Parts: sequence; C-alpha cells; structure tokens
Amino acid sequence: EAQVTQNPRYLITVTGKKLTVTCSQNMNHEYMSWYRQDPGLGLRQIYYSMNVEVTDKGDVPEGYKVSRKEKRNFPLILESPSPNQTSLYFCATTDQFNIQYFGAGTRLSVL
Amino acid sequence: DAKTTQPPSMDCAEGRAANLPCNHSTISGNEYVYWYRQIHSQGPQYIIHGLKNNETNEMASLIITEDRKSSTLILPHATLRDTAVYYCIVRVAGTASKLTFGTGTRLQVTL
Repeated sequence: EAQVTQNPRYLITVTGKKLTVTCSQNMNHEYMSWYRQDPGLGLRQIYYSMNVEVTDKGDVPEGYKVSRKEKRNFPLILESPSPNQTSLYFCATTDQFNIQYFGAGTRLSVL
Repeated sequence: DAKTTQPPSMDCAEGRAANLPCNHSTISGNEYVYWYRQIHSQGPQYIIHGLKNNETNEMASLIITEDRKSSTLILPHATLRDTAVYYCIVRVAGTASKLTFGTGTRLQVTL
C-alpha cells in the first residue's frame, strides 16, 4: 500500500529542545515537501526536495532544517523550537501527475 | 497557478448528491483542475483531476465547463464521512511543485 508515514503523530516539547519529525514514503517519488497548517492561514510550504541531496526553501522556512540523504526519507528538524512553531505539520510526496500524497500529520506543541 | 474561488460552506443531506462549485476564470490552457479534501485535521486527500473532459473515478465526478472557467465536483451519494473541507486547485501537471490551498468549501453532510 502506498504510504507516507510521519512520526511522531503528537509531540509536546519545551522551547529550545531540538527535535526531529520523520517522514518516509514507499512510492519512490522524487519530490517531497513539508507543510505547516495553522488556523486561518491554511497550508504553507516549509521546505521541499526535488531529489536526493536537493532541497530548497518554501514559503516559511525560518527555524526549520531538512535533509534528503535518501529518496524515501525527508526529516524535518527544529534545532531550537519556539512556541510560534506550535502547529500541525504534514509531509507530502508528489507523483508524475502532480498528485500529492500527504502523511497523517504531526501535531506539535512547543511550551 | 490560477486563482480559484469557492463558496465557504455548503450543506448536503446524506444520500443526496453534493455538487461543489469552483470558479477559475484565469485558468491557462495547460493548467489542470485538481480537487482535494481534508477531513478534520487529517492529511489532505487527493480526489480527482482533469484538464477539459469530464472525469469520473470511484470517489467523485468532475465536470469542467467548455470554456474551462469553472468546474463542479460531484459526490454522487454523500455520506456523513464525506463531511470535510474541499479544495479546488488549478496548476500545471507534470511539474512537481507546492500546492497552494485556498480556504476551500466546508461541506457538512447531515442526516
């Protein structure tokens, strides 16, 4: 079954404590991206990757890092989380028809 | 990507057809119409897409007007599980890039 798997699904942390949200896909898609969703602001792209070792900033990259060492994985790293990064995060992949497949989401709270 | 306009909310009785409209008057000749939905904080889910011909799959039908300036997503027999926010997005196929979600239409299916 085609899947985009994010972990963890829920995370509560404190300001400044580094964390990583993992994303893995089994569809061999080249394009992967991270979004955050906040009430009233919709989905906003944080970072994207067009292939292994190729990443670029989206609309709201500040405070985030990503890496793409292998095709299937695209982790999102918050080096020093702050309360304004409390949000719902989605990882997504895109196929050759430009259809995006989203993970189930990670709800992050930074205290 | 062309801008889209959708009504903010709609109601539909269970078992009836839900017809969700979308205006995209500035659509270009090489842009497709995509529909996604998001069920209460879950990851957005792809429904259907089309260029100019009407399309149907197991989830829905997509009717695109001849001038391509508007379209309608049809859920033929809506169920309570179809209650969600539906997004109409217009974009070029074949070039992976971010999705720009607008505010969508909140469909409430009732008994």
